[in-house]
Amino acid sequence: GQQLNQSPQSMFIQEGEDVSMNCTSSSIFNTWLWYKQDPGEGPVLLIALYKAGELTSNGRLTAQFGITRKDSFLNISASIPSDVGIYFCAVYATDRDDKIIFGKGTRLHILP
Amino acid sequence: DGGITQSPKYLFRKEGQNVTLSCEQNLNHDAMYWYRQDPGQGLRLIYYSQIVNDFQKGDIAEGYSVSREKKESFPLTVTSAQKNPTAFYLCASSILGAHYEQYFGPGTRLTVT
Repeated sequence: GQQLNQSPQSMFIQEGEDVSMNCTSSSIFNTWLWYKQDPGEGPVLLIALYKAGELTSNGRLTAQFGITRKDSFLNISASIPSDVGIYFCAVYATDRDDKIIFGKGTRLHILP
Repeated sequence: DGGITQSPKYLFRKEGQNVTLSCEQNLNHDAMYWYRQDPGQGLRLIYYSQIVNDFQKGDIAEGYSVSREKKESFPLTVTSAQKNPTAFYLCASSILGAHYEQYFGPGTRLTVT
Protein backbone atom coordinates (compact mmCIF):
# COMPACT_ATOMS: atom_id res chain seq x y z
CA GLY A 1 0.00 0.00 0.00
CA GLN A 2 0.92 3.65 0.01
CA GLN A 3 3.70 4.53 2.39
CA LEU A 4 5.23 7.66 3.77
CA ASN A 5 8.93 7.63 4.52
CA GLN A 6 9.94 9.87 7.38
CA SER A 7 13.50 10.68 8.27
CA PRO A 8 15.29 10.64 10.52
CA GLN A 9 13.65 8.05 12.80
CA SER A 10 15.04 9.82 15.85
CA MET A 11 17.11 12.88 16.63
CA PHE A 12 19.15 13.97 19.62
CA ILE A 13 19.81 17.70 19.70
CA GLN A 14 20.93 20.37 22.12
CA GLU A 15 18.40 22.85 23.45
CA GLY A 16 18.43 25.94 21.26
CA GLU A 17 19.37 24.13 18.06
CA ASP A 18 17.26 24.17 14.93
CA VAL A 19 15.68 20.91 13.75
CA SER A 20 14.77 19.69 10.30
CA MET A 21 12.86 16.55 9.37
CA ASN A 22 11.24 15.40 6.16
CA CYS A 23 8.73 13.07 4.66
CA THR A 24 8.51 11.56 1.18
CA SER A 25 6.02 9.52 -0.75
CA SER A 26 6.04 7.59 -4.01
CA SER A 27 2.54 8.93 -4.75
CA ILE A 28 1.18 12.43 -5.19
CA PHE A 29 -0.98 13.84 -2.41
CA ASN A 30 -2.75 17.20 -2.33
CA THR A 31 -2.87 17.68 1.44
CA TRP A 32 0.08 17.19 3.76
CA LEU A 33 -0.16 17.34 7.53
CA TRP A 34 2.24 17.49 10.44
CA TYR A 35 1.20 16.21 13.87
CA LYS A 36 3.04 16.18 17.18
CA GLN A 37 2.52 13.54 19.86
CA ASP A 38 3.63 14.25 23.41
CA PRO A 39 4.64 11.18 25.45
CA GLY A 40 1.57 9.18 26.47
CA GLU A 41 -0.88 11.50 24.69
CA GLY A 42 -2.75 11.69 21.41
CA PRO A 43 -1.31 13.55 18.39
CA VAL A 44 -2.12 17.21 17.85
CA LEU A 45 -2.29 18.82 14.41
CA LEU A 46 0.49 21.39 14.01
CA ILE A 47 0.33 22.47 10.39
CA ALA A 48 -1.78 21.60 7.35
CA LEU A 49 -0.50 22.25 3.81
CA TYR A 50 -2.89 22.42 0.87
CA LYS A 51 -0.93 23.86 -2.05
CA ALA A 52 2.24 22.61 -3.73
CA GLY A 53 5.16 24.89 -2.90
CA GLU A 54 3.32 26.38 0.07
CA LEU A 55 5.42 27.45 3.06
CA THR A 56 3.48 27.79 6.31
CA SER A 57 4.60 28.85 9.77
CA ASN A 58 3.16 28.26 13.21
CA GLY A 59 5.32 30.02 15.77
CA ARG A 60 8.77 28.43 15.69
CA LEU A 61 7.56 25.75 13.29
CA THR A 62 7.78 26.05 9.52
CA ALA A 63 6.57 23.44 7.05
CA GLN A 64 6.73 23.27 3.28
CA PHE A 65 4.67 21.29 0.79
CA GLY A 66 7.03 20.07 -1.93
CA ILE A 67 6.50 21.28 -5.46
CA THR A 68 6.25 17.70 -6.75
CA ARG A 69 3.48 17.00 -4.18
CA LYS A 70 5.49 13.97 -3.07
CA ASP A 71 7.30 15.44 -0.10
CA SER A 72 7.21 17.85 2.80
CA PHE A 73 9.59 19.07 5.48
CA LEU A 74 9.17 20.49 8.95
CA ASN A 75 11.64 22.85 10.61
CA ILE A 76 11.70 23.81 14.29
CA SER A 77 13.80 26.80 15.22
CA ALA A 78 15.49 27.38 18.57
CA SER A 79 14.29 24.14 20.14
CA ILE A 80 13.05 24.12 23.75
CA PRO A 81 12.43 21.20 26.14
CA SER A 82 8.70 21.03 25.41
CA ASP A 83 9.46 20.25 21.75
CA VAL A 84 10.26 16.69 22.84
CA GLY A 85 7.90 14.15 21.31
CA ILE A 86 7.13 12.31 18.12
CA TYR A 87 6.46 14.27 14.95
CA PHE A 88 4.29 12.53 12.36
CA CYS A 89 3.82 13.55 8.80
CA ALA A 90 0.54 12.49 7.25
CA VAL A 91 -1.33 12.85 4.00
CA TYR A 92 -5.00 13.09 3.28
CA ALA A 93 -5.79 10.37 0.75
CA THR A 94 -8.93 11.41 -1.12
CA ASP A 95 -8.55 8.34 -3.34
CA ARG A 96 -8.73 6.08 -0.31
CA ASP A 97 -12.09 6.96 1.24
CA ASP A 98 -10.73 10.25 2.62
CA LYS A 99 -8.40 8.52 5.06
CA ILE A 100 -5.29 9.94 6.65
CA ILE A 101 -2.11 7.96 6.09
CA PHE A 102 0.55 8.47 8.75
CA GLY A 103 4.31 8.15 8.55
CA LYS A 104 6.17 6.26 11.28
CA GLY A 105 7.30 9.43 13.00
CA THR A 106 10.49 11.21 13.98
CA ARG A 107 11.21 11.03 17.70
CA LEU A 108 12.86 14.21 18.95
CA HIS A 109 15.06 14.14 22.07
CA ILE A 110 16.48 17.33 23.52
CA LEU A 111 19.64 17.27 25.59
CA PRO A 112 19.94 19.86 28.36
CA ASP B 1 -14.45 22.25 27.74
CA GLY B 2 -14.94 20.45 24.44
CA GLY B 3 -12.85 17.44 23.69
CA ILE B 4 -12.44 13.70 23.39
CA THR B 5 -12.17 11.45 26.40
CA GLN B 6 -10.88 7.91 26.44
CA SER B 7 -11.06 5.71 29.46
CA PRO B 8 -9.35 4.11 31.14
CA LYS B 9 -5.82 5.37 30.47
CA TYR B 10 -4.33 1.94 31.25
CA LEU B 11 -6.10 -1.40 30.87
CA PHE B 12 -4.87 -4.88 31.69
CA ARG B 13 -6.55 -8.08 30.53
CA LYS B 14 -5.89 -11.77 30.38
CA GLU B 15 -5.53 -13.45 27.02
CA GLY B 16 -8.83 -14.80 25.72
CA GLN B 17 -10.99 -12.04 27.21
CA ASN B 18 -12.83 -9.45 25.18
CA VAL B 19 -12.31 -5.86 26.31
CA THR B 20 -14.13 -2.64 25.37
CA LEU B 21 -12.39 0.72 25.15
CA SER B 22 -14.46 3.84 25.63
CA CYS B 23 -14.38 6.97 23.46
CA GLU B 24 -16.65 9.95 24.00
CA GLN B 25 -16.61 13.37 22.31
CA ASN B 26 -18.57 16.55 22.97
CA LEU B 27 -17.31 18.42 19.91
CA ASN B 28 -20.48 17.63 17.95
CA HIS B 29 -18.32 15.94 15.31
CA ASP B 30 -19.99 13.53 12.92
CA ALA B 31 -16.98 11.36 12.13
CA MET B 32 -15.07 9.22 14.61
CA TYR B 33 -12.06 6.95 14.21
CA TRP B 34 -10.05 4.30 16.03
CA TYR B 35 -6.31 3.91 15.47
CA ARG B 36 -3.77 1.52 16.82
CA GLN B 37 -0.19 2.62 17.57
CA ASP B 38 2.72 0.25 18.13
CA PRO B 39 6.25 1.34 19.16
CA GLY B 40 8.14 2.85 16.24
CA GLN B 41 5.08 2.70 14.02
CA GLY B 42 2.70 5.24 12.65
CA LEU B 43 -0.99 5.16 13.40
CA ARG B 44 -3.00 2.46 11.69
CA LEU B 45 -6.74 2.81 11.15
CA ILE B 46 -8.94 0.12 12.70
CA TYR B 47 -12.50 1.38 12.12
CA TYR B 48 -14.21 4.65 11.35
CA SER B 49 -17.72 5.99 11.39
CA GLN B 50 -19.09 8.99 9.54
CA ILE B 51 -22.61 8.83 10.89
CA VAL B 52 -24.62 7.20 13.66
CA ASN B 53 -25.41 3.52 13.08
CA ASP B 54 -22.87 3.24 10.28
CA PHE B 55 -19.17 2.35 10.32
CA GLN B 56 -16.51 1.01 7.97
CA LYS B 57 -13.46 -1.19 8.38
CA GLY B 58 -10.07 0.43 8.27
CA ASP B 59 -6.78 -1.20 7.36
CA ILE B 60 -6.52 -3.57 10.35
CA ALA B 61 -10.11 -4.36 11.43
CA GLU B 62 -9.65 -8.10 12.03
CA GLY B 63 -10.22 -9.02 15.67
CA TYR B 64 -11.96 -5.73 16.49
CA SER B 65 -15.58 -4.59 16.55
CA VAL B 66 -17.27 -1.21 17.03
CA SER B 67 -20.70 0.32 17.45
CA ARG B 68 -22.02 3.82 16.87
CA GLU B 69 -25.38 4.09 18.60
CA LYS B 70 -24.90 7.72 19.60
CA LYS B 71 -23.11 10.58 17.87
CA GLU B 72 -20.96 11.20 20.95
CA SER B 73 -19.78 7.64 21.51
CA PHE B 74 -17.73 5.14 19.50
CA PRO B 75 -16.62 2.21 21.68
CA LEU B 76 -14.08 -0.31 20.40
CA THR B 77 -14.12 -3.96 21.45
CA VAL B 78 -10.88 -5.88 21.21
CA THR B 79 -11.92 -9.49 20.86
CA SER B 80 -10.03 -12.65 21.72
CA ALA B 81 -9.58 -13.15 17.97
CA GLN B 82 -7.10 -10.28 17.82
CA LYS B 83 -3.73 -12.02 17.69
CA ASN B 84 -1.60 -9.25 19.16
CA PRO B 85 -3.86 -6.87 21.11
CA THR B 86 -1.26 -5.16 23.32
CA ALA B 87 -0.92 -1.62 21.94
CA PHE B 88 -1.78 2.05 22.43
CA TYR B 89 -5.27 2.80 21.11
CA LEU B 90 -6.25 6.27 19.95
CA CYS B 91 -9.69 7.60 19.21
CA ALA B 92 -10.23 10.67 17.02
CA SER B 93 -13.07 12.72 15.61
CA SER B 94 -13.57 15.24 12.85
CA ILE B 95 -16.17 17.36 11.13
CA LEU B 96 -17.62 15.74 8.02
CA GLY B 97 -15.89 17.26 5.02
CA ALA B 98 -12.76 18.04 7.06
CA HIS B 99 -11.44 14.54 7.69
CA TYR B 100 -7.86 15.83 7.55
CA GLU B 101 -8.38 17.84 10.73
CA GLN B 102 -8.77 15.06 13.24
CA TYR B 103 -8.80 15.69 16.98
CA PHE B 104 -7.36 12.90 19.07
CA GLY B 105 -8.14 11.66 22.55
CA PRO B 106 -5.40 10.93 25.11
CA GLY B 107 -5.32 7.21 24.27
CA THR B 108 -5.71 3.93 26.16
CA ARG B 109 -2.77 1.63 26.67
CA LEU B 110 -3.98 -1.97 26.60
CA THR B 111 -1.80 -4.76 27.90
CA VAL B 112 -2.90 -8.35 27.41
CA THR B 113 -0.99 -11.13 29.15
